[in-house]
Amino acid sequence: GAVVSQHPSWVICKSGTSVKIECRSLDFQATTMFWYRQFPKQSLMLMATSNEGSKATYEQGVEKDKFLINHASLTLSTLTVTSAHPEDSSFYICSANGGTGTSRTQYFGPGTRLLVL
Amino acid sequence: AQKVTQAQTEISVVEKEDVTLDCVYETRDTTYYLFWYKQPPSGELVFLIRRNSFDEQNEISGRYSWNFQKSTSSFNFTITASQVVDSAVYFCALKDSNYQLIWGAGTKLIIKP
Repeated sequence: GAVVSQHPSWVICKSGTSVKIECRSLDFQATTMFWYRQFPKQSLMLMATSNEGSKATYEQGVEKDKFLINHASLTLSTLTVTSAHPEDSSFYICSANGGTGTSRTQYFGPGTRLLVL
Repeated sequence: AQKVTQAQTEISVVEKEDVTLDCVYETRDTTYYLFWYKQPPSGELVFLIRRNSFDEQNEISGRYSWNFQKSTSSFNFTITASQVVDSAVYFCALKDSNYQLIWGAGTKLIIKP
């Protein structure tokens, strides 16, 4: 159980285009999902917390107008990188809380590698 | 402030050796959770273990074992008889009262055949 999928796994796009990444909890409902960004040889950096039916909470320094998050259902959250530029190239990872209460474990999707040319 | 320190940036051992990955944390909360995740070259984070602050029992799962010591704020991870497939980056993380994960910098483990 507790499987999280992400799509696409790889995307290459031209500068200025928008890219949408989907994150799905396959066998459980997730009221809260998280979006991370990871640069090579670095740890994960939390970008935002996505709550079903409400606005996402962004971490300091993350542009909410550039990284649009929509959590429309209990099993789906999307991250749209708008007008992507080469510096947005990174590994984007989503996670979802499995279980209940404060002990919930975050289960991670396989990640999406974005390369902006 | 909450913080997780993984002082070992990279460890390299020969297959079948035992290896311990260190994790030291800081938190003011009395209730918290500690995690270990494995990130192989594919990038996908694999959940290994969760431990709550009230449970100091050490845990063993196959070749993996974890030593949680509140007195030293440490949650170390040992792989016994390491294998090449254990090569990955391992992250220690702390979940505090804000329910967010605070990540260590990760330790890259290289197992040589």
